[in-house]
Amino acid sequence: GESVGLHLPTLSVQEGDNSIINCAYSNSASDYFIWYKQESGKGPQFIIDIRSNMDKRQGQRVTVLLNKTVKHLSLQIAATQPGDSAVYFCAERYDFGNEKLTFGTGTRLTIIP
Amino acid sequence: KAGVTQTPRYLIKTRGQQVTLSCSPISGHRSVSWYQQTPGQGLQFLFEYFSETQRNKGNFPGRFSGRQFSNSRSEMNVSTLELGDSALYLCASSLWAGGLPQHFGDGTRLSIL
Repeated sequence: GESVGLHLPTLSVQEGDNSIINCAYSNSASDYFIWYKQESGKGPQFIIDIRSNMDKRQGQRVTVLLNKTVKHLSLQIAATQPGDSAVYFCAERYDFGNEKLTFGTGTRLTIIP
Repeated sequence: KAGVTQTPRYLIKTRGQQVTLSCSPISGHRSVSWYQQTPGQGLQFLFEYFSETQRNKGNFPGRFSGRQFSNSRSEMNVSTLELGDSALYLCASSLWAGGLPQHFGDGTRLSIL
């Protein structure tokens, strides 16, 4: 079946550096993508989303890039801080009007002080 | 504004028992979705409710059921518990059916002995 996959299960970044978390998706019909951050003992926290009619969207210290040609999604975090350490999930929706999200396996980001 | 509230936070049950988990969505949100999170399978969609009606269902056995009340609060029930049902059960709410992003609670950690 369709799935969302992440290239790297773990990522370590020096504090203050930028980090990039990648995600591959397989369903070309997906119309919406979202990134969540999950800290230990907590539920996923919404970071940023992007619709398929866009290729870039920026938030506070975060940027999501969407490349529909290669079905690739990335999350860039600028000037990483210790509080950015968490597991990051990408998710896609490929059934318009359906809230069902299909999640990737997650990438653990560790910020090194 | 209070976030999504899930109760209880932790639960221990034995095989064969049943369990009911509760979710109160963000005030004004009318759609509630449930997900199961395990280390092996990641985040998987269980079902979605809007206006007291189940709109969508994931690939889980009939032992997993849910309902939504007129105040948008939702419950999920798992009957005849199995060891494999041990997981973090997450509830997410959004403003309306098909609305995104979803906002998650911190989950109920269910352990089956």
